[in-house]
Amino acid sequence: RKEVEQDPGPFNVPEGATVAFNCTYSNSASQSFFWYRQDCRKEPKLLMSVYSSGNEDGRFTAQLNRASQYISLLIRDSKLSDSATYLCVVNEPSGTYKYIFGTGTRLKVLA
Amino acid sequence: DGGITQSPKYLFRKEGQNVTLSCEQNLNHDAMYWYRQDPGQGLRLIYYSQIVNDFQKGDIAEGYSVSREKKESFPLTVTSAQKNPTAFYLCASSRGQQFFGPGTRLTVL
Repeated sequence: RKEVEQDPGPFNVPEGATVAFNCTYSNSASQSFFWYRQDCRKEPKLLMSVYSSGNEDGRFTAQLNRASQYISLLIRDSKLSDSATYLCVVNEPSGTYKYIFGTGTRLKVLA
Repeated sequence: DGGITQSPKYLFRKEGQNVTLSCEQNLNHDAMYWYRQDPGQGLRLIYYSQIVNDFQKGDIAEGYSVSREKKESFPLTVTSAQKNPTAFYLCASSRGQQFFGPGTRLTVL
């Protein structure tokens, strides 16, 4: 089993749609979780951290489910500019500085 | 402006040559990282450094070397021992969250 798994997609959705991605992780002791966005041929950029209580930033909502070991990202009212690859990132348990990246979920928002 | 810089943006190398990729940060972060990304693939960790004068191998360190003589700098050398060096190389630093440089695209001719 991969340490961090994501559905590669692509998810093709119309503008204005709501779309959700999940990401599962294998190490139950993982402490920190993040969603990054990566545009084609660019570096990943932090979209949001994921907190135990869940958190929202505008149209984006992130959730953590420790019992089932997954995190999710919900995008409401999709825009064309949301088209990108979304990377799930898990920080290994405290004591190390390693981050484990999923391979990403590709989203394409269609006009 | 605080951030991470990588140079050059594009690099071409002949087979059998070593090449060094630059990474500099002014974020005052202790930890720095090098990743490799191949087309349609995720990021794979090459080396990371938690503090000056210390670094650890990542998952794919063979054929690469690094140094960490200054907090701000973490150069990566791609040696001729690396079998498939053509890739997108990303440098990052972290304090809680990771921040990435713009990357270097290396092509071996």
